[in-house]
Amino acid sequence: KQEVTQIPAALSVPEGENLVLNCSFTDSAIYNLQWFRQDPGKGLTSLLLIQSSQREQTSGRLNASLDKSSGRSTLYIAASQPGDSATYLCAVHMDSNYQLIWGAGTKLIIKP
Amino acid sequence: GAVVSQHPSRVICKSGTSVKIECRSLDFQATTMFWYRQFPKQSLMLMATSNEGSKATYEQGVEKDKFLINHASLTLSTLTVTSAHPEDSSFYICSARDQWTQYFGPGTRLLVL
Repeated sequence: KQEVTQIPAALSVPEGENLVLNCSFTDSAIYNLQWFRQDPGKGLTSLLLIQSSQREQTSGRLNASLDKSSGRSTLYIAASQPGDSATYLCAVHMDSNYQLIWGAGTKLIIKP
Repeated sequence: GAVVSQHPSRVICKSGTSVKIECRSLDFQATTMFWYRQFPKQSLMLMATSNEGSKATYEQGVEKDKFLINHASLTLSTLTVTSAHPEDSSFYICSARDQWTQYFGPGTRLLVL
């Protein structure tokens, strides 16, 4: 059974720092992995989608990497800003299953 | 890009009443829609998967008679929380799927008094 873990559960850093969020999964046979952002009381915004054949994806200040063999993905945020404060969730899509399997998220606070 | 809407965005109701939440895919046809629930400080939990024109598939522990799902068209799925109780208070999120991507709705905050 696939399990997705995100560490740390919460993170607080000063504005301007570069930071890394971690996501690990137990079953490497994934179809793709996605990183999402959730603002308090709101829905989800998809940030980056990495197919199983890819190693990384970039969008602006965000870079997501994927290492299937070790069951790990990281989300790198460069030059963090207060507006980046949110909960970041990773989720994996298994090959033969439509549902996404979610991590519990990392709550990120960027201090001005 | 694809957009999924939910209505209402938040609802407050009395215990024992039923609440209907709508999920619409606005510019694409979704053969499959998903309903998730999220309790405070917890991850999203899949409640059920619904395919257009057929009965929903519920996850273990989700009462199908309490959470009625109707997916009558390729652009609309509804979740009805019947005889709602305070423990049903949660954030409900739907998502609609095209070929390989899930698009998420903005969520509905339900508070049962």
